Amino acid sequence: QSVLTQPPSVSGAPGQRVTISCTGSSSNIGAGYDVHWYQQLPGIAPKLLIYGNNNRPSGVPDRFSGSKSGTSASLAITGLQAEDEADYYCQSYDSSLSGYVFGTGTKVTVL
Amino acid sequence: EVQLLDSGGDLVQPGGSLRLSCAASGFTFSTNAMSWVRQAPGKGLEWVSGIDGSGGSTYYADSVKGRFTISRDNSKNTVYLQMNSLRAEDTAVYYCAKFGGSSWQKLCFDYWGQGTLVTVSS
Repeated sequence: QSVLTQPPSVSGAPGQRVTISCTGSSSNIGAGYDVHWYQQLPGIAPKLLIYGNNNRPSGVPDRFSGSKSGTSASLAITGLQAEDEADYYCQSYDSSLSGYVFGTGTKVTVL
Repeated sequence: EVQLLDSGGDLVQPGGSLRLSCAASGFTFSTNAMSWVRQAPGKGLEWVSGIDGSGGSTYYADSVKGRFTISRDNSKNTVYLQMNSLRAEDTAVYYCAKFGGSSWQKLCFDYWGQGTLVTVSS
């Protein structure tokens, strides 16, 4: 089972701002390990969206931003667009498991 | 352009074995750590295994430790996942992924293969 908890779904109208939370513990996010975010469109491999808590790879629109505080992290999408409808996953490292962990995943729906 | 091409997925009986391959191109393969991540049907992502650039260090999730073996052939720019004693719960799409970053505890998965489906069923 995932050790990083995300809301199952979030939704918003085009142009709105939505946020996705990622809640961990003292052995992962709270230990200072970086949080990364991935976007998975239906039937396609995941794509890196945010790395190192708040950095965007080349080509990722600045509508996507990440933040981290304490044992949690968040992904914000501003100016929501129809093409943003996808599943989103957070990821970090866990010292208790000595491995990489993903969040439970959040489905974003554009109304 | 970085490309990862996964292959080897198939239908296999419980207790059986399978070897997955991932052919890489577009980057200096031998200096980059690689990984396998899986996704069961309709479920989330699960990290499975990782290997450093030289192949000298390997890492596994508890769920596959002792059954799966990751390896690489830097002369062929290919990483492998040998899966033994397969169980129904190993059924998933398996993605090869390139690690990004410099410290093991800060690594992300910056490029992904297209995935290959492994089905464990009698």
